[in-house]
Amino acid sequence: GAGVSQSPSNKVTEKGKDVELRCDPISGHTALYWYRQRLGQGLEFLIYFQGNSAPDKSGLPSDRFSAERTGESVSTLTIQRTQQEDSAVYLCASSPSGGLQETQYFGPGTRLLVL
Amino acid sequence: AQRVTQPEKLLSVFKGAPVELKCNYSYSGSPELFWYVQYSRQRLQLLLRHISRESIKGFTADLNKGETSFHLKKPFAQEEDSAMYYCAIKRAGSNYKLTFGKGTLLTVNP
Repeated sequence: GAGVSQSPSNKVTEKGKDVELRCDPISGHTALYWYRQRLGQGLEFLIYFQGNSAPDKSGLPSDRFSAERTGESVSTLTIQRTQQEDSAVYLCASSPSGGLQETQYFGPGTRLLVL
Repeated sequence: AQRVTQPEKLLSVFKGAPVELKCNYSYSGSPELFWYVQYSRQRLQLLLRHISRESIKGFTADLNKGETSFHLKKPFAQEEDSAMYYCAIKRAGSNYKLTFGKGTLLTVNP
């Protein structure tokens, strides 16, 4: 079946502009994660959604970052007033129910470049 | 907070040689450990996880709680093993988010 999809695949924006990144998880997966990977770094956790529970936003680096999820489907990550340090690959992952032993399935990522 | 250390950014071996990618973690509880791999132009995917005690593509990884290590090993490397490898940890009570190491780029030369 279809895996996790993300759009756009690449985004170039100017400093100060807002951007919106989209993630479509695997159908039926209730857990959804956003990660960020800056050049030469490992993946950093940003935010986690699980069903109707309040999201875990503990990884969001600043209040310019926000994310929403519609039910158990699409999620959007919004970055307001982008800065050059926001340049990174933004990865989305989903898993069936967020369990400890579950595999997280990753999307192809959105490569964001802030000029 | 948990932390994952992959001491080698780059590792280069010849085809047929043994390979070991090191991973050390800091967490006092009972974590779940994973190795993820990213081949060129492909998405990040799970290679193996310690709970399964399986061998995938000839790779194995043993959890050593005493040394807090989860090194990835393969006795005979193949060119198609060239990729970026990430060690990751999950722990209960953390909403099960993965904490990743910075990765090791493995190159297997012919």
